[in-house]
Amino acid sequence: DTGVSQNPRHKITKRGQNVTFRCDPISEHNRLYWYRQTLGQGPEFLTYFQNEAQLEKSRLLSDRFSAERPKGSFSTLEIQRTEQGDSAMYLCASSQGGEETQYFGPGTRLLVL
Amino acid sequence: AQSVTQLDSHVSVSEGTPVLLRCNYSSSYSPSLFWYVQHPNKGLQLLLKYTSAATLVKGINGFEAEFKKSETSFHLTKPSAHMSDAAEYFCVVRSGGSYIPTFGRGTSLIVHP
Repeated sequence: DTGVSQNPRHKITKRGQNVTFRCDPISEHNRLYWYRQTLGQGPEFLTYFQNEAQLEKSRLLSDRFSAERPKGSFSTLEIQRTEQGDSAMYLCASSQGGEETQYFGPGTRLLVL
Repeated sequence: AQSVTQLDSHVSVSEGTPVLLRCNYSSSYSPSLFWYVQHPNKGLQLLLKYTSAATLVKGINGFEAEFKKSETSFHLTKPSAHMSDAAEYFCVVRSGGSYIPTFGRGTSLIVHP
């Protein structure tokens, strides 16, 4: 068990560019969550998957954001036409079945210039 | 609906003295409650959780929290602070039947030598 991993750890991009982040959950965890955390705030829920199905999306997830988990293992979060307001830490977490505890990755810090 | 309020944005203590981080919650259904800790440049780590069993919950690193339904509180305590406890702490609520947690804004614990 190597824990939840996220890549890249840091990303600097120019406004208007597209970015994609990857999350690898703990193996055999069937639930995967994405959060966004801005400075001085707690993580805010974006979306979650059970296996490959995206079951819930927050209103924070505008149409520029899309997330996938094609084979029920790793997940990607893409942001199209980035804006400066997208600058934040993007966190991924996973959990198993009825277990309520979520295990978090180290996050991807995005800076949009 | 669910929400969580962390009553202090910063708490400052001396090493060896008690720690109290306050959290109040609101939940429509039987809640599960968690405390997570976030050290700089590290992922969120679960300290402890309450899931309708014993109201006094013991966690890692000497932390504990007490669920008080009448006060809708879930305060985090530790008898004696250590320098390594300096970090950001998040109180989290999840209502029964939902997989989506709500995080508080966080309390920064500062420990002085």
